Amino acid sequence: SQQGEEDPQALSIQEGENATMNCSYKTSINNLQWYRQNSGRGLVHLILIRSNEREKHSGRLRVTLDTSKKSSSLLITASRAADTASYFCATDPNTGNQFYFGTGTSLTVIP
Amino acid sequence: EAQVTQNPRYLITVTGKKLTVTCSQNMNHEYMSWYRQDPGLGLRQIYYSMNVEVTDKGDVPEGYKVSRKEKRNFPLILESPSPNQTSLYFCASSPTRRPNEQFFGPGTRLTVL
Repeated sequence: SQQGEEDPQALSIQEGENATMNCSYKTSINNLQWYRQNSGRGLVHLILIRSNEREKHSGRLRVTLDTSKKSSSLLITASRAADTASYFCATDPNTGNQFYFGTGTSLTVIP
Repeated sequence: EAQVTQNPRYLITVTGKKLTVTCSQNMNHEYMSWYRQDPGLGLRQIYYSMNVEVTDKGDVPEGYKVSRKEKRNFPLILESPSPNQTSLYFCASSPTRRPNEQFFGPGTRLTVL
C-alpha cells in the first residue's frame, strides 16, 4: 500500500501550546495536503504544499516538506480547544490518478 | 452554498441487499472520489472519476460499483453488501485532477448485518 502514516497516533496538549504532527509517505509526489476531521464528520482541507516547496504557512499552521526523506510535518501554534480533531496528510503521487491518505493523528487540546 | 451532499447519512441493512449511496456536488467539479474510513486504517480510496463517463479503481474497489453519467453525480453501488463493508463512507470532489484540494461530503455511516 502507498498509504502514508502519521506520527504520533494521538497527541494531548494544553491550550496555548504548539502541536506538531508528522507524516511519512512512500512514493514521489506532486503535492502533499493536510486535512482536519472533527469527530465523525467530513474532512476539511487545511493546506497544500507542492513538491518544490519546503515550507508553507497559513495562519497558525506551518507545514514543512522534505522530499528526500519523504516526510512532512504540520505545526499548529498557540493551540485552542477548537483545534481538537483528527489530522490527516494526503499525498498526490507523480504517477497515476489516485490519492492516498495517512492514518491520522488525533489531537486533543485541553482548555 | 457550494457543497457535496450524500444520502443517506445513516443506513443499516442486511447482507446481500443491494444499496446505493448517492453523492452530488454543485461546484461543477471534474474529479470525484469515494473513500471508506475504518478505525486505524485512515481513509482508503474506493473509486474515482476524472470526468463524465471516466471512472477507475482506487485501492479497495472490491464489492463496489460506481457510475458517472452526469458531472454532478457519482453514486456508489453495493450490489451484494457484506459485513466487512460496514464503514464510514465519504464522497469528495475537486475542481480538477491537479491541484486537487478536495471538498468532502458529510459522510454515510453504513452497517451491514
